[in-house]
Amino acid sequence: GAGVSQSPSNKVTEKGKDVELRCDPISGHTALYWYRQRLGQGLEFLIYFQGNSAPDKSGLPSDRFSAERTGESVSTLTIQRTQQEDSAVYLCASSIPGQKSGANVLTFGAGSRLTVL
Amino acid sequence: GIQVEQSPPDLILQEGANSTLRCNFSDSVNNLQWFHQNPWGQLINLFYIPSGTKQNGRLSATTVATERYSLLYISSSQTTDSGVYFCAVDYTGTASKLTFGTGTRLQVTL
Repeated sequence: GAGVSQSPSNKVTEKGKDVELRCDPISGHTALYWYRQRLGQGLEFLIYFQGNSAPDKSGLPSDRFSAERTGESVSTLTIQRTQQEDSAVYLCASSIPGQKSGANVLTFGAGSRLTVL
Repeated sequence: GIQVEQSPPDLILQEGANSTLRCNFSDSVNNLQWFHQNPWGQLINLFYIPSGTKQNGRLSATTVATERYSLLYISSSQTTDSGVYFCAVDYTGTASKLTFGTGTRLQVTL
């Protein structure tokens, strides 16, 4: 698509429920990133996918968080047994890695705002 | 991991004024990007600038990689420039884990 698409844009859930957030990257962008932004804070890296390489999961805060990506397309971020501290905006970005001009520039989606009651 | 510090944390300008935002980082980097997050939360890439100087309209950026800092210049500021400006760096060579600074919150008033 023309931009990075994320859904849902807003999600309100009860503590203990599981949630799935979806990201559809720009067509042709082989790299995909998930970040978390708590209210008034900066962005925290969660996970990075690049092509068929093993994902960099070093930013996932606990084993309740997991993410998958099918090939070079859609990614889902799953949070199990949500806690109130998981409330944040979850941002997805994609890019074309490499050395060419315009490579490595991240394009962000509008985010999914998660509120855990 | 690499530390990224931005200054000032907050800035209030009158429309038409100029400003300089600074990003200091603690290690060598091969990827540095500036982003603007508008009041609605959308992040827009402004510059990919691991070194050197670039200009885009009223905005320009300079990165002095050997001294581990980057500057973002905003000239003739407009109310639409309001929001939070982030710099983000990576030192692994793959942009796999851009580390973001804490941001500079800019408010431009009439």
